[in-house]
Amino acid sequence: DGGITQSPKYLFRKEGQNVTLSCEQNLNHDAMYWYRQDPGQGLRLIYYSQIVNDFQKGDIAEGYSVSREKKESFPLTVTSAQKNPTAFYLCASSTERVDTEAFFGQGTRLTVV
Amino acid sequence: AQKITQTQPGMFVQEKEAVTLDCTYDTSDQSYGLFWYKQPSSGEMIFLIYQGSYDEQNATEGRYSLNFQKARKSANLVISASQLGDSAMYFCAMRDFSYRGSTLGRLYFGRGTQLTVWP
Repeated sequence: DGGITQSPKYLFRKEGQNVTLSCEQNLNHDAMYWYRQDPGQGLRLIYYSQIVNDFQKGDIAEGYSVSREKKESFPLTVTSAQKNPTAFYLCASSTERVDTEAFFGQGTRLTVV
Repeated sequence: AQKITQTQPGMFVQEKEAVTLDCTYDTSDQSYGLFWYKQPSSGEMIFLIYQGSYDEQNATEGRYSLNFQKARKSANLVISASQLGDSAMYFCAMRDFSYRGSTLGRLYFGRGTQLTVWP
């Protein structure tokens, strides 16, 4: 079945460590997105990518990095520069058509311990 | 600037009643798409309904309908015959046609409305 897979579902990070969240899709979508969700804040865009080897910063990119070496993969690294990384992270993908919805993964809940 | 505004942090509705969740948006583009998603407590995002800016009729999908008023820039979600399983967070989203000159618009989300259905 086609879809988006995020892993892990839960992730614990010590302060000062970098961690990488995985996002893989087999929908053949060109565009992929990373969102951060905090209680009462809705979804805020971290990074998005329209095509392989290209990506743009979203509204809250500081302390995060991404790569898009393959069409199906868009990993997100939460660096030690991100001061408040505890949140729920959602990855999404879509076609380039404005009239098609984005498909989401199950999310990764990151907690700093 | 905020693109999507959902003014209702929480809504309550009795089972089998209808409920309207408000959404207003801001864009200068003529071509855009409006979406509603449901997020249960499990965290997954479930696509519910889509409305295109050029669609003349309001979108409907089963018990969901979208009350689209283009001049007022509003896209309210109407859920008819509410069920207990409708209790969830609901997000309104918009994709406009261009973002920094690209042909693919990014998705903007509102802050969501927490809907609680009671028996």
